[in-house]
Amino acid sequence: DIVMTQSPDSLAVSLGERATVNCKSSQSLLYSSNNKNYLAWYQQKPGQPPKLLFYWASTRASGVPDRFSGSGSGTDFTLTISSLQAEDVAVYYCQQFYGSPLTFGGGTKVEIK
Amino acid sequence: QVQLVQSGAEVKEAGASVKVSCKVSGYTFTDYSIHWVRQAPGRGLEWMGWINPKSGDPKYAQKFQGRVTMTMDTSITTAYMDLTRLTSDDTAVYYCARDGRGKFSGYDYYDYWGQGTLVTISS
Repeated sequence: DIVMTQSPDSLAVSLGERATVNCKSSQSLLYSSNNKNYLAWYQQKPGQPPKLLFYWASTRASGVPDRFSGSGSGTDFTLTISSLQAEDVAVYYCQQFYGSPLTFGGGTKVEIK
Repeated sequence: QVQLVQSGAEVKEAGASVKVSCKVSGYTFTDYSIHWVRQAPGRGLEWMGWINPKSGDPKYAQKFQGRVTMTMDTSITTAYMDLTRLTSDDTAVYYCARDGRGKFSGYDYYDYWGQGTLVTISS
């Protein structure tokens, strides 16, 4: 199984400041035939299902504010919130869809400092 | 608009079975696969498997092989997940989710999710 490791487990950031979440996979998620990274990011708020933020590591899903960005390739990926807003408080998960079983990172809780 | 509406919360005894439904609307049911993902209280997300609505073929995560059955009824655009021999470790919120690509590969991200169904196992 592909193991997804997120760091940190939690972070507290001041409003308007940058938040960075890391995700590392145990094997490369880059599919050479199409040069795409099979990595998605989700945001989950309490009592709600996850919401898709990015797929192919950096393609923003519909309606996602541009203060969110996804980057990385191969085994190392980053989700960045450039200017944290109160509504961004949530748990963020990465997910690989390169191999079966599909697996998720353990989540990173983002809070306001 | 695309919607996935799941059945209500369940309380089951250990050893019993549970069947969760996922009614979809707002798109052609057979154009996208449905996956099932669960989340134990305070824990992360765990993929259980998926079903291809065009063929009806399911694929299950190894961990759940022999205990899970995924089915569908295209006439009422509903997918089902049946989990048997329940234990306390199965206490979780169960989600259905739509694949984001419509490629039926099983290797997917999810663009729409159901609201979740809490299944509680009492011992």
